[in-house]
Amino acid sequence: DAKTTQPTSMDCAEGRAANLPCNHSTISGNEYVYWYRQIHSQGPQYIIHGLKNNETNEMASLIITEDRKSSTLILPHATLRDTAVYYCIVAGTASKLTFGTGTRLQVTL
Amino acid sequence: DGGITQSPKYLFRKEGQNVTLSCEQNLNHDAMYWYRQDPGQGLRLIYYSQIVNDFQKGDIAEGYSVSREKKESFPLTVTSAQKNPTAFYLCASSWQTTHYGYTFGSGTRLTVV
Repeated sequence: DAKTTQPTSMDCAEGRAANLPCNHSTISGNEYVYWYRQIHSQGPQYIIHGLKNNETNEMASLIITEDRKSSTLILPHATLRDTAVYYCIVAGTASKLTFGTGTRLQVTL
Repeated sequence: DGGITQSPKYLFRKEGQNVTLSCEQNLNHDAMYWYRQDPGQGLRLIYYSQIVNDFQKGDIAEGYSVSREKKESFPLTVTSAQKNPTAFYLCASSWQTTHYGYTFGSGTRLTVV
């Protein structure tokens, strides 16, 4: 599975959009981009995934560049409850997802 | 409600004792996984199982054992051979034939003294 690179930490003001970047320059054609988040001391929660088209659900939007080498997770109106570690994962199937250290998002008043 | 249950939430054991962590799911998921998380670190895969009576080692299987006798259950035993067993253990399950995401349990925090 392709490796991903994410910033270690980010801050976002409450009510503003949080844009979390992820680089995956070695992604192959059959690999999906998955995003999860982990609130302190809980199990990770699935957010969204995509192959090449942009995706949106009730939690977030996923923007994947045309060359698929990077993506951005967008939380349109961040709240304090969105403070968490966000993991970007690239994998060929839903099996054996590998979680790195992710991006620690701090939403502030 | 469907979900995945890990028990207990907190577990204390003396060094040298084996301990078994429970993981049960009623989501009818085919695959189940065990991850370990240390403070400030990501998740590392210990074992996974894609079908009943079959499982594969993950990245850090040494000192751990698992079984998958039923589709719903995937218990993890932390043996005395695991050199540093104190950690947060997370169980997950997923469909095997789709690209839907994992469902995680709430975790078991194991402390060995």
